[in-house]
Amino acid sequence: KQEVTQIPAALSVPEGENLVLNCSFTDSAIYNLQWFRQDPGKGLTSLLLIQSSQREQTSGRLNASLDKSSGRSTLYIAASQPGDSATYLCAVTTGANSKLTFGKGITLSVRP
Amino acid sequence: DTGVSQNPRHKITKRGQNVTFRCDPISEHNRLYWYRQTLGQGPEFLTYFQNEAQLEKSRLLSDRFSAERPKGSFSTLEIQRTEQGDSAMYLCASRSSWRGGDTGELFFGEGSRLTVL
Repeated sequence: KQEVTQIPAALSVPEGENLVLNCSFTDSAIYNLQWFRQDPGKGLTSLLLIQSSQREQTSGRLNASLDKSSGRSTLYIAASQPGDSATYLCAVTTGANSKLTFGKGITLSVRP
Repeated sequence: DTGVSQNPRHKITKRGQNVTFRCDPISEHNRLYWYRQTLGQGPEFLTYFQNEAQLEKSRLLSDRFSAERPKGSFSTLEIQRTEQGDSAMYLCASRSSWRGGDTGELFFGEGSRLTVL
């Protein structure tokens, strides 16, 4: 059974800091990996999707990497801003049905 | 295209009542998923449809839960005889699985929050 872990559960950083959010998964036979953002009481916004054949994806100040063999992904946020404060969730699919298995998320607080 | 739409956004009900949530996926997305999220947890898979066919159901989906997608467009999730443990955010997502246009990316709605008193 696939398990996704995100540690720590919460993180607080000063504005402007570059930061890395970690995600690990137990079954390396994944189809793809998605990073999502969730604001309090809201739905999920897709940030980046990495296919199993890819090593990384970039969007603006965000960069996500994938190391399938070690079962790890990182989300790099450059020059963090208070508006980046949210919960960041990592999720993997292990089949073409796109059924996602999620981690519990990392709640990020960026202090002005 | 306004993305995945879910209604109602909030529902407060008394234990034992029935509730129904509706999800309108992104147009032309033939796959539709339901997830449940409780406080401090990641979303958990409940069920998914390809067109009107319900292809998989989680064991989390007890007999009190039923989901339909009658014409392969919108979907409904009904919970009968609600219990306090059903209190959660119910999330809907969709994707396209047509060849050449499919990245496997799921797009989520804003969710429907259920509170059972």
